[in-house]
Amino acid sequence: DTGVSQDPRHKITKRGQNVTFRCDPISEHNRLYWYRQTLGQGPEFLTYFQNEAQLEKSRLLSDRFSAERPKGSFSTLEIQRTEQGDSAMYLCASSFGRGYGPYNSPLHFGNGTRLTVT
Amino acid sequence: KQEVTQIPAALSVPEGENLVLNCSFTDSAIYNLQWFRQDPGKGLTSLLLIQSSQREQTSGRLNASLDKSSGRSTLYIAASQPGDSATYLCAVNDAGGYNKLIFGAGTRLAVHP
Repeated sequence: DTGVSQDPRHKITKRGQNVTFRCDPISEHNRLYWYRQTLGQGPEFLTYFQNEAQLEKSRLLSDRFSAERPKGSFSTLEIQRTEQGDSAMYLCASSFGRGYGPYNSPLHFGNGTRLTVT
Repeated sequence: KQEVTQIPAALSVPEGENLVLNCSFTDSAIYNLQWFRQDPGKGLTSLLLIQSSQREQTSGRLNASLDKSSGRSTLYIAASQPGDSATYLCAVNDAGGYNKLIFGAGTRLAVHP
């Protein structure tokens, strides 16, 4: 168990640029989640994958955001035409769950990608 | 809409004290509640997960209780140590979207020697 890995750890970009983050979940985990956290707040849910299927998306995920999980392994989160309000920590988490019911095993989080938009 | 509140927002205690962190949620229709720890600039580490049918869970010096009907959970830390200094977050998995967690803003704990 090497844990959830996220890359890069930090990203500084200019407003209007596109950025892409990668998440490698724990290998046997079939569920993968993206959250966003701003300073002093708890994480907010963005999207959820079960295997390669994106099953749930938050209204926070505007059309500038897209997430993929090809082959049900690693995932990428892309933000197009970044805005200063996108500056946050982007956290990936994974878990194992049978079927499509509510998760009942703990979420394992990566250390996040901190995005700064200037 | 589910809302999760944590009190206090910050806490500073001397080493050795027993302490209680509080979490409340507005909608009691939850599947489970989870407590996390977050160190500065890092991700979250799961501490305890309580199913909706359970009343409490224990791990080492940590004990978490759940009173679903009143919308409350407490995290009890016994004999606090400087290494316990971190932000503690609670999150509920509710019927509104059972594969997402709704987090509180956390309690920032400082344990000084």
